[in-house]
Amino acid sequence: EPEVTQTPSHQVTQMGQEVILRCVPISNHLYFYWYRQILGQKVEFLVSFYNNEISEKSEIFDDQFSVERPDGSNFTLKIRSTKLEDSAMYFCASSALDETEAFFGQGTRLTVV
Amino acid sequence: GQQLNQSPQSMFIQEGEDVSMNCTSSSIFNTWLWYKQDPGEGPVLLIALYKAGELTSNGRLTAQFGITRKDSFLNISASIPSDVGIYFCAGPSGGGADGLTFGKGTHLIIQP
Repeated sequence: EPEVTQTPSHQVTQMGQEVILRCVPISNHLYFYWYRQILGQKVEFLVSFYNNEISEKSEIFDDQFSVERPDGSNFTLKIRSTKLEDSAMYFCASSALDETEAFFGQGTRLTVV
Repeated sequence: GQQLNQSPQSMFIQEGEDVSMNCTSSSIFNTWLWYKQDPGEGPVLLIALYKAGELTSNGRLTAQFGITRKDSFLNISASIPSDVGIYFCAGPSGGGADGLTFGKGTHLIIQP
């Protein structure tokens, strides 16, 4: 069964460093998303991406964040200068159509120290 | 922004019992999704609802989309240990390629 894959599963980084989280969405999907989940809290939307551009972003997704689809299969989230409060699980998701079910990856646990 | 309110926050039940949880919103959603999340894992889609009043089953799970499009319930029949986890309702935030708004989840705990 097709699935969304994310790498790495865990990332520890020092405050101020740049990190890139990687995702391979389901191959025939057109909409791509990044979400964040701080430990013990709900899943929060960060950004959606369609037709090679950002479609929508939340207030969490500030200038420190960027997304890219560098080729036909990968979708990345970059955090330019990590802060302690960026520590969270980051989930990539994809969907075939707008406003339909989104399928999530297993997540990357980011720890900023 | 839109908010989804889930209840109860947590449930402690005995194996074999039926479970019912719900989700309400102050605004209309065009799609209603139910996800389950195990510790350290990503949310897994259980059921998707698209039509007001729609009742959909997936094995022992049944979910309904409220007539007003502002609420939904999820029932689990004859619970088993692997049903333990956090159940989230979610819906698209608005038009276009919007992300999902998630509820805070219902934590299901099954006592042997």
